[in-house]
Amino acid sequence: TQLLEQSPQFLSIQEGENLTVYCNSSSVFSSLQWYRQEPGEGPVLLVTVVTGGEVKKLKRLTFQFGDARKDSSLHITAAQPGDTGLYLCAGPTGANSKLTFGKGITLSVRP
Amino acid sequence: EAGVTQSPTHLIKTRGQQATLRCSPISGHTSVYWYQQALGLGLQFLLWYDEGEERNRGNFPPRFSGRQFPNYSSELNVNALELEDSALYLCASSLIAGGETQYFGPGTRLLVL
Repeated sequence: TQLLEQSPQFLSIQEGENLTVYCNSSSVFSSLQWYRQEPGEGPVLLVTVVTGGEVKKLKRLTFQFGDARKDSSLHITAAQPGDTGLYLCAGPTGANSKLTFGKGITLSVRP
Repeated sequence: EAGVTQSPTHLIKTRGQQATLRCSPISGHTSVYWYQQALGLGLQFLLWYDEGEERNRGNFPPRFSGRQFPNYSSELNVNALELEDSALYLCASSLIAGGETQYFGPGTRLLVL
């Protein structure tokens, strides 16, 4: 079974700080996706990384896929209260592209 | 372009009853996926439908079932509801069958009393 472990589980920081969170697995994934979910809503896709070593930027968010395609990181520069939410990583597993999700990282950015 | 829509937004049932949840995918998407998000368990894959057929199923009992209609909308049925079925049920769709990039709806919050 391919599992995705996310860390830290909870993070509370002050507005303006930088942070990095992680998504790790012992298995190789063909791609990894990052989602952000706000309370009472569905996850919103932020990015898909496909190539080992790939770096993608989305405004103040930087996503990196590990060289071996077993892990990914999300770095947020100058966090803002609007970044508050649950950050989920997910990857396809099995022949029929079932998505396996990590349990998520709850981020709280205080004004 | 409209996103994935789900109805109802909230549903309250009692143990033993049946629940029906509905999902409309993004226009042009033929694959629909259902996930359960229960407290402390994260998102767990339930079912995948494409072109009207069930393509894959997660580790859930047979009382979780569904179907996909000719217009690609989908229904999730949960029979003989148990308290542990209380969760947010999310529907997602993808442009490519079994596509890794899935777009989620807002979910249906099911509460079983």
